[in-house]
Formats: sequence, C-alpha cells, structure tokens
Amino acid sequence: DQQVKQNSPSLSVQEGRISILNCDYTNSMFDYFLWYKKYPAEGPTFLISISSIKDKNEDGRFTVFLNKSAKHLSLHIVPSQPGDSAVYFCAVHQFYFGTGTSLTVIP
Amino acid sequence: NAGVTQTPKFRVLKTGQSMTLLCAQDMNHEYMYWYRQDPGMGLRLIHYSVGEGTTAKGEVPDGYNVSRLKKQNFLLGLESAAPSQTSVYFCASSRRQFEQYFGPGTRLTVT
Repeated sequence: DQQVKQNSPSLSVQEGRISILNCDYTNSMFDYFLWYKKYPAEGPTFLISISSIKDKNEDGRFTVFLNKSAKHLSLHIVPSQPGDSAVYFCAVHQFYFGTGTSLTVIP
Repeated sequence: NAGVTQTPKFRVLKTGQSMTLLCAQDMNHEYMYWYRQDPGMGLRLIHYSVGEGTTAKGEVPDGYNVSRLKKQNFLLGLESAAPSQTSVYFCASSRRQFEQYFGPGTRLTVT
C-alpha cells in the first residue's frame, strides 16, 4: 500500500504562471517531508523540505505548504520557468517516495 | 567534489548471473541508501545504512544484499539476477535524516 501518493502524473503550465504540485500521505506520524526534482537520465536533486512543526517553507520561487490535518502537502513554483520542466517527487524522510508528477512549462 | 558516483552506468545480465553495484560518496555522510525506480512506481527503498558496518532492509529487499565495509562505499549485490530486477538503481547519501544526494543511476537489464 502506497504511503505517499501523487495523483497527478503530469501537469502543464504556461511560463510565468504558478505551478502547484500535490502530494498526500497516509500516516499522521510522518514528520519530515521533502521535494526532489529529476531530469531524464539523472538522479533526483533535492529542492525543498518541511518539518511537521511548520506549515510553510519558502526558498526563492519554491514554497512548500503542509496541511497536517489533511495529510497533504503541496509545492508551489512561482513564476514557472521552462527550466523547471522535470519530474517532481515528494518524499517522507528517506523511506517513501511518491510516483512523481511530470511538470511541463510551456514557453 | 564528485558527490555520489555509481559504477557501472549500464549493465545487461542473463537470468541467474550475479553482479555488484558500487556506490561511492565523498561528502563524509553517515547514511547511504539504495533505491530502484520502475515505471509508474516512483523510487522504492531496497536497503540502507546508518553508518559503517551497519545495514538495514527497506521496502523491497528480497533478492538483494548489501555491505558497508567503508564509510564512503555502499555495495548492492544481486546473487542470482531475475528479469523482475530489471530497473534503474539509484544510490544516495545524507547527513543523518536530512536531504539526500543521489548518484546518476545504473540502468540494469536482466534477460
């Protein structure tokens, strides 16, 4: 049974607009969440993380929101750029990864 | 710094053959991990290590063995390869339980 779910396999947005990627998890005891970005034929690279003691964390154009009661987190990218086109994985600690969302930013 | 490196990058095995995948990191990280990525499945943890000489099972450990004889190296072994082990394998390392640094991956095909 999947502990972390990314229900949207793909997302397309126009350059300059906001990209919102979503992730749901099953266990309310999970307390540290991460987002990774992956380009084809490369390993994932760390993007941003959030601890359960926070509900928001920002790093430049990237913001992660955590809703503990809903067991849901989201990644906002503003403004989206063509170089952001990649697969995005959410993860819980180092143990569970979602299936990924492929983001395409259209110039 | 090379970061995390993986050897080999590609390999084709016949069913029943054995092989070892090597992961090396030069960041003095305590934690190291092996994952596999299959289409539509995301990354699944095979085995991990929280320090030199230690190993632990992840979500999908069957058919694999690991060793961490040196802090900087983490080896993944397949004793008798099966077609179900066709996958892309990623190694990663981290300081304690923080963000991971991943290698470029090894694409393994078992025929």
